Amino acid sequence: GEDVEQSLFLSVREGDSSVINCTYTDSSSTYLYWYKQEPGAGLQLLTYIFSNMDMKQDQRLTVLLNKKDKHLSLRIADTQTGDSAIYFCAEKGGGNKLTFGTGTQLKVEL
Amino acid sequence: KAGVTQTPRYLIKTRGQQVTLSCSPISGHRSVSWYQQTPGQGLQFLFEYFSETQRNKGNFPGRFSGRQFSNSRSEMNVSTLELGDSALYLCASSPLSAYNQGAYEQYFGPGTRLTVT
Repeated sequence: GEDVEQSLFLSVREGDSSVINCTYTDSSSTYLYWYKQEPGAGLQLLTYIFSNMDMKQDQRLTVLLNKKDKHLSLRIADTQTGDSAIYFCAEKGGGNKLTFGTGTQLKVEL
Repeated sequence: KAGVTQTPRYLIKTRGQQVTLSCSPISGHRSVSWYQQTPGQGLQFLFEYFSETQRNKGNFPGRFSGRQFSNSRSEMNVSTLELGDSALYLCASSPLSAYNQGAYEQYFGPGTRLTVT
């Protein structure tokens, strides 16, 4: 199957860390991605990880991949109000296309 | 470099009509993909074009079609519009096709908001 699942909503306080989780089902996925969508805008590519890696850090973003459990997470350190958005994970699987998750709405409160 | 541009940004059509949406990719990108985004179904893949050829197609009826020109600009067409076609249509460009080995980084445009009444 090609289902990619995420929790719908996450609320954090400014300055805290946010962790957004994603599970996928395609074991042949080669790359996994995180995108951000702000209101009225398209998707912005944040980062991606190759399937033979288990961690990737890019400034405030840390991606963790557990290939055995098909679990991907995105940690945002020192979350700011500008990080409020919908976050999508996506996999490049056997179908030679990206399959996107359901999206997690992140709300950052002061 | 200019980003991905989509025109028009907003469109209102009536059931039964047809519509054409346009996408200009980032300069040098040869792959253009189209997605439909709705609150109920999320982001769904429509098709990918690379070097004027359709490389892949999602699970949509034949009313949805597309094409790509020699300058990599792409259009998608929806004929006989239905109320359920109301959605945000997103275009994404990439230097490589999804069929290539590699990271397949896609860059999205702002979308065209289509409302069918």
